[in-house]
Amino acid sequence: DADVTQTPRNRITKTGKRIMLECSQTKGHDRMYWYRQDPGLGLRLIYYSFDVKDINKGEISDGYSVSRQAQAKFSLSLESAIPNQTALYFCATSDRGTEPLQETQYFGPGTRLLVL
Amino acid sequence: GQNIDQPTEMTATEGAIVQINCTYQTSGFNGLFWYQQHAGEAPTFLSYNVLDGLEEKGRFSSFLSRSKGYSYLLLKELQMKDSASYLCAVRVLSGNTPLVFGKGTRLSVIA
Repeated sequence: DADVTQTPRNRITKTGKRIMLECSQTKGHDRMYWYRQDPGLGLRLIYYSFDVKDINKGEISDGYSVSRQAQAKFSLSLESAIPNQTALYFCATSDRGTEPLQETQYFGPGTRLLVL
Repeated sequence: GQNIDQPTEMTATEGAIVQINCTYQTSGFNGLFWYQQHAGEAPTFLSYNVLDGLEEKGRFSSFLSRSKGYSYLLLKELQMKDSASYLCAVRVLSGNTPLVFGKGTRLSVIA
């Protein structure tokens, strides 16, 4: 089984709808992240969480919210989807440690979202 | 702000060697990561440098010069399956900030 899973893998929705993307991990990592990727713009950080009670905004948090329900689960919500939120969304996890290599990020398979 | 620069695209021939450069200007430095990402798939970890010098891992090597704010990824004996994007990411501070990613270099390997 994959260590980091995302559901759904593909989603088509309409402008104004609320949607939730879910991420689960079995790696036992404390840290979880949500990114979006657009052609030519690379990975951009939306939100991140370093433990269950910690939520931090990333570079592009407007229009998004998150929930860290448990160590293993981190959900991303689009409260009112708009077409420019069409993108590939990745969840990632990393361990906590003093050694930099411990903070290697492991990515889920991605969710392809289309907002019409 | 944090700035990481990589070439947008590169093309190389099967069997050849290619070097993908990454320069960074960041408020701190505590390690540099390289990731490989095939089209439509998740990035996967390739290599990591924290000290100056070359780290070799099979056909892939990564070099770091902290004084120059510079790294490169060297791919030898290129194969068609190496066609992918290669992302450079910097750990700016120890422990409490996420990695900062460059926009990636899309490598096409041609016959």
